[in-house]
Amino acid sequence: GIQVEQSPPDLILQEGANSTLRCNFSDSVNNLQWFHQNPWGQLINLFYIPSGTKQNGRLSATTVATERYSLLYISSSQTTDSGVYFCAVGDGQFYFGTGTSLTVIP
Amino acid sequence: GAVVSQHPSWVICKSGTSVKIECRSLDFQATTMFWYRQFPKQSLMLMATSNEGSKATYEQGVEKDKFLINHASLTLSTLTVTSAHPEDSSFYICSASGGALIEQYFGPGTRLTVT
Repeated sequence: GIQVEQSPPDLILQEGANSTLRCNFSDSVNNLQWFHQNPWGQLINLFYIPSGTKQNGRLSATTVATERYSLLYISSSQTTDSGVYFCAVGDGQFYFGTGTSLTVIP
Repeated sequence: GAVVSQHPSWVICKSGTSVKIECRSLDFQATTMFWYRQFPKQSLMLMATSNEGSKATYEQGVEKDKFLINHASLTLSTLTVTSAHPEDSSFYICSASGGALIEQYFGPGTRLTVT
């Protein structure tokens, strides 16, 4: 299957700081999504972004499909942003990345 | 829109028994559903892909006779863990896509504990 690596694995931020999360994948894909997994395990869709750039409030994402990576930007972080962020890629079925565990401290 | 539910949210069963987990798409027709499992502090691992009315496609290393998947309608897929053992204890998550929805939408997950 496709290999998906995320960096950094862990990130601690002061509230108000900005961050960039990276997702590298090993093969060309047609689908890519970013998710936030809350403490109860629910996966929240953040972006469907197989290519290009999208923004939603304090979050934005960019995927450069030709270079097989995607970036998730979080600006002005809040404590509620804490949790694990996953990217998932594939054609049809999804393969999940290793995740970035984000902790935002007040 | 695009809501996926799972039932039960958590279940405890004794070793050797079978457990059924339901995954429902509430407001769209899910032509494809996926089942994942997640161990603590780890990523999600795809177990199988099911298309409505067809046999599920299992990922390598997943025992199809142990994890029975049925996708009998466009809104319901079930995962049955047969003869459960403690090592099957995990967080099981389903997702669905279909119709005009290209993205996958995830259920809230089912936490299975086998004693």
